Amino acid sequence: EAQVTQNPRYLITVTGKKLTVTCSQNMNHEYMSWYRQDPGLGLRQIYYSMNVEVTDKGDVPEGYKVSRKEKRNFPLILESPSPNQTSLYFCASSSDRGRPAYEQYFGPGTRLTVT
Amino acid sequence: GNSVTQMEGPVTLSEEAFLTINCTYTATGYPSLFWYVQYPGEGLQLLLKATKADDKGSNKGFEATYRKETTSFHLEKGSVQVSDSAVYFCALIDNYGQNFVFGPGTRLSVLP
Repeated sequence: EAQVTQNPRYLITVTGKKLTVTCSQNMNHEYMSWYRQDPGLGLRQIYYSMNVEVTDKGDVPEGYKVSRKEKRNFPLILESPSPNQTSLYFCASSSDRGRPAYEQYFGPGTRLTVT
Repeated sequence: GNSVTQMEGPVTLSEEAFLTINCTYTATGYPSLFWYVQYPGEGLQLLLKATKADDKGSNKGFEATYRKETTSFHLEKGSVQVSDSAVYFCALIDNYGQNFVFGPGTRLSVLP
């Protein structure tokens, strides 16, 4: 089954304790992306990757890091989490890289709480 | 930068009512436009898309037409069902196929 998986699904942590949220897709997609979803703000793009070893900042990259060492994986790293990073996080992937536009497949989400 | 504006919700309708959710955008060049739907507790799913002016995207009874002259992509459905209750997001991707921008979402509740 084609899917995007994220782990963990729920995480409660304390300020300053480094954490990683994993994302993996089994569709051989080139493009992967991380979003955060906050009430009233919709989804905002954190980072995206056009292919292995190619990453770029989205609209809200501060406080986050990513890496793309393999095509299937795109982990999101919070080196020193803060309470304002409490949010619902989604990973997404897609295959086509140009026009016509392409469909993003979303993971189930990771709900992060930083106290 | 690029942006997407949606009508504020929540929108509450009775079953079989007509639905319109307004979406307007600001973007340089010729973006592609999308509507995504998020059911409770789930990730987003693509509902429909349009890649150029005057294109009409349609799926599951929903429709939206890419109007470049009014920079709009309004979502419509002639007869909503209880199962359509969800949050709907309008989104665009720029010319270069890199940066996705989503609207804030509109929550729809359909009552039996």
